Amino acid sequence: DAMVIQNPRYQVTQFGKPVTLSCSQTLNHNVMYWYQQKSSQAPKLLFHYYDKDFNNEADTPDNFQSRRPNTSFCFLDIRSPGLGDAAMYLCATSSAGSMDLIRFGPGTRLTVT
Amino acid sequence: QKEVEQNSGPLSVPEGAIASLNCTYSDRGSQSFFWYRQYSGKSPELIMFIYSNGDKEDGRFTAQLNKASQYVSLLIRDSQPSDSATYLCAVYYNQGGKLIFGQGTELSVKP
Repeated sequence: DAMVIQNPRYQVTQFGKPVTLSCSQTLNHNVMYWYQQKSSQAPKLLFHYYDKDFNNEADTPDNFQSRRPNTSFCFLDIRSPGLGDAAMYLCATSSAGSMDLIRFGPGTRLTVT
Repeated sequence: QKEVEQNSGPLSVPEGAIASLNCTYSDRGSQSFFWYRQYSGKSPELIMFIYSNGDKEDGRFTAQLNKASQYVSLLIRDSQPSDSATYLCAVYYNQGGKLIFGQGTELSVKP
């Protein structure tokens, strides 16, 4: 089945230790999103790719970076995680112009100790 | 500032009742509106989308859109305990190609 996969599902990192979360998709969607969701809050868009074009939200901290080496994969790098970065990180994909086709991955729960 | 507003709840309804969830948005240029269901610890799951003014029905779910009032709602008929979850309203902004979420309404359906 075509799907969005996130690895790992649970990640524990130490304060200040770089961490990378990964997302892959078999849907051949050209748009990929990264959202951050803290407890009892809305998913907050960090950035998205439209094909290779990178779009960073104005309020996304510089601590967060992203890479999309090809259509199928997208990475979220947190260079120096702080305690406030503990959250669920959601990857989503869509086909441009067909937002009803947006699909979310299962998420990665990040804990910062 | 593009915003999507929802009552955070919790909204509690008895089993079999109609649950009504509401959402307002700030950008009149918005074209597409979505309702997602999210169980605790899980990722959002698309329930309904609506593009045109009026009602759209899918089984027990009805989405209602009023662009003049910048208002979108979700009705759940014959609510079941398994409907207990957080319901997220999302608005797609064509400019920038972003899907922006409201904070969600927690629904509890009591047996």
